[in-house]
Formats: sequence, C-alpha cells, structure tokens
Amino acid sequence: EAGVVQSPRYKIIEKKQPVAFWCNPISGHNTLYWYRQNLGQGPELLIRYENEEAVDDSQLPKDRFSAERLKGVDSTLKIQPAELGDSAVYLCASRGTGMNTEAFFGQGTRLTVV
Amino acid sequence: GNSVTQMEGPVTLSEEAFLTINCTYTATGYPSLFWYVQYPGEGLQLLLKATKADDKGSNKGFEATYRKETTSFHLEKGSVQVSDSAVYFCALSASGGSYIPTFGRGTSLIVHP
Repeated sequence: EAGVVQSPRYKIIEKKQPVAFWCNPISGHNTLYWYRQNLGQGPELLIRYENEEAVDDSQLPKDRFSAERLKGVDSTLKIQPAELGDSAVYLCASRGTGMNTEAFFGQGTRLTVV
Repeated sequence: GNSVTQMEGPVTLSEEAFLTINCTYTATGYPSLFWYVQYPGEGLQLLLKATKADDKGSNKGFEATYRKETTSFHLEKGSVQVSDSAVYFCALSASGGSYIPTFGRGTSLIVHP
C-alpha cells in the first residue's frame, strides 16, 4: 500500500513569490493534516481536514496561506506571497478512523525562501 | 490544552550503550501516546505506540511504557546502534484535542561507533 505522497520534495523561491505543495493521502483516510516543522522543532499543525471540510484552521496564517481538499482526497497548500520566515519543512499526514489510530506522514517539502 | 515535553538533546552515546529519552505530557481526556522517528531529510515514521495506561509499546528493540500516574512515556533501548541516529519525537492524541497529534520538540540521538 502506498504511503502519503508529497511533492515537490524541495522548493527554493524568492520572497514575495507564490508556492504550492501537493499531498496525496493514504487511500481511505478521511483525516488529513498539514504541519509546518521549523528547524530543530517539532511539527506544528496548520490545518486539519475531515473529508473535504477544513475543521481546524486556527493556526493557518490566512492572510497568505490557503489550502484546499477538493473531493476529499488530494490536498494543496499554497503560500502567496512567501516571506523569508516561511522557510521550513511542510509535512502532510493522514489518519484513518478510530480513536487510537496513528497519523502517517509524507516525506515533506523543504521550502527555502531567499 | 495538550502538550508534550521532551528532554533536550542532542543525546550522544557510544554503540551498545543504553538509551533513555524522557517524555512527559499534559492532556485533556485519555490520550494515546506515540514515538515517531525522523531520519535526515525524511518525514516522520511511527516507531511505537501505547493507547492506555500501563501498556508497553515496542518495536525494533525500543520500548516505552504508558505511565498515567507520572504522565510519562519514556523511550528506552538496551543497546543502541549507529543506525539509530535520528531525531525522536514524542506525541499524543486525545479526545480533548480532536485527536490531533501534538508533538514535542524532538530529541536528537547521535550514536558513535
């Protein structure tokens, strides 16, 4: 079974440019998360989806970040315009149903804003 | 709110040494507890988990016991290898946090030959 797939693996952009990250979760997983991981830190939640509905987005900087999960499967996270402080690893994870199930993570996208 | 506190790293050990990485938590409800491992340039991989008090999770020689009385989930391994060098994250999910995984800041482990 394929795991969580993210692309691209690496992205270098100039500040003020837009950037988008894509995530394909594990088949059948209704819950999808986007996390941001700064260097030397643990992942921090940006947004959670249940199917196509964003149910936790209080940590998403909505002035420049947006996300969508059309049809409740793949998801895209966008930043426009990017700032130097957005440099981080962006992780996507998905989770199946059940109280005690774990989240499965993709390999992440390392974003560098110059 | 939910939170996880891990010991600061890096932890530097010689091969075959005993490993302990401390983790304590604060949670609303009855959390499930996890240890994830992250190798350089990779995402997080689940190492082990425990879903109720006194459960012991184990995998690849690593163990952790869910201690409700001390709100702890310390990671141990009796004999580390160079290939265990990575960053280890303690995490929880709980009904009080909509089961959203909450992570500690990670502990880097460096094992020398």
